[in-house]
Amino acid sequence: DGGITQSPKYLFRKEGQNVTLSCEQNLNHDAMYWYRQDPGQGLRLIYYSQIVNDFQKGDIAEGYSVSREKKESFPLTVTSAQKNPTAFYLCASSWTGGSNEQFFGPGTRLTVL
Amino acid sequence: GQNIDQPTEMTATEGAIVQINCTYQTSGFNGLFWYQQHAGEAPTFLSYNVLDGLEEKGRFSSFLSRSKGYSYLLLKELQMKDSASYLCAFIRRADYKLSFGAGTTVTVRA
Repeated sequence: DGGITQSPKYLFRKEGQNVTLSCEQNLNHDAMYWYRQDPGQGLRLIYYSQIVNDFQKGDIAEGYSVSREKKESFPLTVTSAQKNPTAFYLCASSWTGGSNEQFFGPGTRLTVL
Repeated sequence: GQNIDQPTEMTATEGAIVQINCTYQTSGFNGLFWYQQHAGEAPTFLSYNVLDGLEEKGRFSSFLSRSKGYSYLLLKELQMKDSASYLCAFIRRADYKLSFGAGTTVTVRA
């Protein structure tokens, strides 16, 4: 079955630690995205990538980093520089082009203790 | 700049109809998506409108007016499982990035 997976579902980290969230897709999509969702707010774009070995900052990239070494994978690192990292993180993928819907993974809920 | 607005909450009775409005302002508008998101889960695609008019898909319909910067999602014959957040998002021609509204939480009551 084709799809997009994220792991883990729940993640706890201590303040000051970096943590990496996994995102894998086998849909053969070129584009991948990372969003953050906070209560009462819409999804906000952190980073996106339209092709392997290339990525761009979204609206709230500070304190985050990504890599895109393989088409299937787009891991997100939440660094200690991110001041308020507790949130629900969603990864998505799509074909490139304007009319193509984004398919979302199940999300990772990160809690900083 | 760009902006997208939708109501925060709506409540309706099982079997009824609910209309969720969405207004947006952006340059280079390319199309508008509606997603459904149950609590703690991933958003799932409902509809995509590029041209003006109404698109119907079973119990759900979506309308777009590009000149007015306005869309709505119409949910008919409401069921309890329709209780969820509904996200409006537009896509820009320049970079194909999605910009999401805050979402409308619909509660369906028996």
